[in-house]
Amino acid sequence: AQSVTQLDSHVSVSEGTPVLLRCNYSSSYSPSLFWYVQHPNKGLQLLLKYTSAATLVKGINGFEAEFKKSETSFHLTKPSAHMSDAAEYFCVVTGFQKLVFGTGTRLLVSP
Amino acid sequence: NAGVMQNPRHLVRRRGQEARLRCSPMKGHSHVYWYRQLPEEGLKFMVYLQKENIIDESGMPKERFSAEFPKEGPSILRIQQVVRGDSAAYFCASSPAAGDYNEQFFGPGTRLTVL
Repeated sequence: AQSVTQLDSHVSVSEGTPVLLRCNYSSSYSPSLFWYVQHPNKGLQLLLKYTSAATLVKGINGFEAEFKKSETSFHLTKPSAHMSDAAEYFCVVTGFQKLVFGTGTRLLVSP
Repeated sequence: NAGVMQNPRHLVRRRGQEARLRCSPMKGHSHVYWYRQLPEEGLKFMVYLQKENIIDESGMPKERFSAEFPKEGPSILRIQQVVRGDSAAYFCASSPAAGDYNEQFFGPGTRLTVL
């Protein structure tokens, strides 16, 4: 069965410092992986997706993620956090046409 | 091209009443998915529909919940005899085709509160 584990429920950074949100996945076949962001009381927006092409995936707003099959990881990074990045982030794996979500990581950005 | 639309955005029901949640997919999208987000949790898959067909309802509770996507009009998620545990945000997503590589586009959600 497909599953994802987001290793941190909360991550706190200062504005201008790097962001690392960790995700490990489990999949019985070659997966597609996504990162979605959810701002308070809003819907979900796709940040980036991995679909078996390049292992380093660039997304919107300066985010990127690297697919590492040997480590079954798909960590999300950004070189420099901005206040507007404060939100909930979900790592997602596809499972037979439905999305399987992690429990989310809340990113807090302080001035 | 308008995004996925959901209404109402907020819905308040008393225990025992019915809740109807509507989802209009993006233009040209014939695949609709419903997810539920309980407080402080991630989203959980409920049901996947194509026009007039339920493809996968493995995440739907066996009782009180039903979904449809008619040939004309929006997809409807219906919850009969609501209970407090049904309070959650319900998100609809749509995609233009089937397959794991296709992005699902999400609506803003309907926040259901059961009193």
